Amino acid sequence: EVQLVESGGGLVQPGGSLRLSCAASGFTFSDHYMDWVRQAPGKGLEWVGRTRNKANSYTTEYAASVKGRFTISRDDSKNSLYLQMNSLKTEDTAVYYCARLPYDFSPFDYWGQGTLVTVSS
Amino acid sequence: QSVLTQPPSVSGAPGQRVTISCTGSSSNIGAGYDVHWYQQLPGTAPKLLIYGNSNRPSGVPDRFSGSKSGTSASLAITGLQAEDEADYYCQSYDSSLSAPVVFGGGTKLTVL
Repeated sequence: EVQLVESGGGLVQPGGSLRLSCAASGFTFSDHYMDWVRQAPGKGLEWVGRTRNKANSYTTEYAASVKGRFTISRDDSKNSLYLQMNSLKTEDTAVYYCARLPYDFSPFDYWGQGTLVTVSS
Repeated sequence: QSVLTQPPSVSGAPGQRVTISCTGSSSNIGAGYDVHWYQQLPGTAPKLLIYGNSNRPSGVPDRFSGSKSGTSASLAITGLQAEDEADYYCQSYDSSLSAPVVFGGGTKLTVL
């Protein structure tokens, strides 16, 4: 059974940093692209960024709203995905989901349960 | 302001048919990118409902169907059931540099 479990969310002050993790199981993690998608309270889904697999050189892409502040990485030996968030703003407050996809342009076929990040003073 | 436009809400009585539209542009849906649909039940993560414009993953009832034409796509739900009450999101890709993955703003389906 495919499982994605996020962790690391919490309360952080504006300007602070936080690192989210996503533990994967039930599939060959190294074969897949992995994305982060967030959802502000009461709002819709917003794509955050992507890391491709080893075959595609682990290249990353980011939404303009987080580029230069957020960094996505992965450790295939630990079946884990990470999101390092720096210079956090109040508008980054959201539930952050990790999601799996096989390749570019494909759908997100599995999602984690999400972890809440609150940026507030 | 979402790149893909969906109606904020739709409603229907049990057993009825409803449709949810998703309107894009020439840089996303109109460029030939597939549209995918997700269902988000209250308090839960999104779940893939329709992929590749009109395909259902295993386990999704055939009451759910999708279509795409030009710069728009639609999700149809027939034989509405109370458990269909949820938020629905369309998703595609965009050739712009700001965000290659784009979502609709979401549509709240209320079963009357």
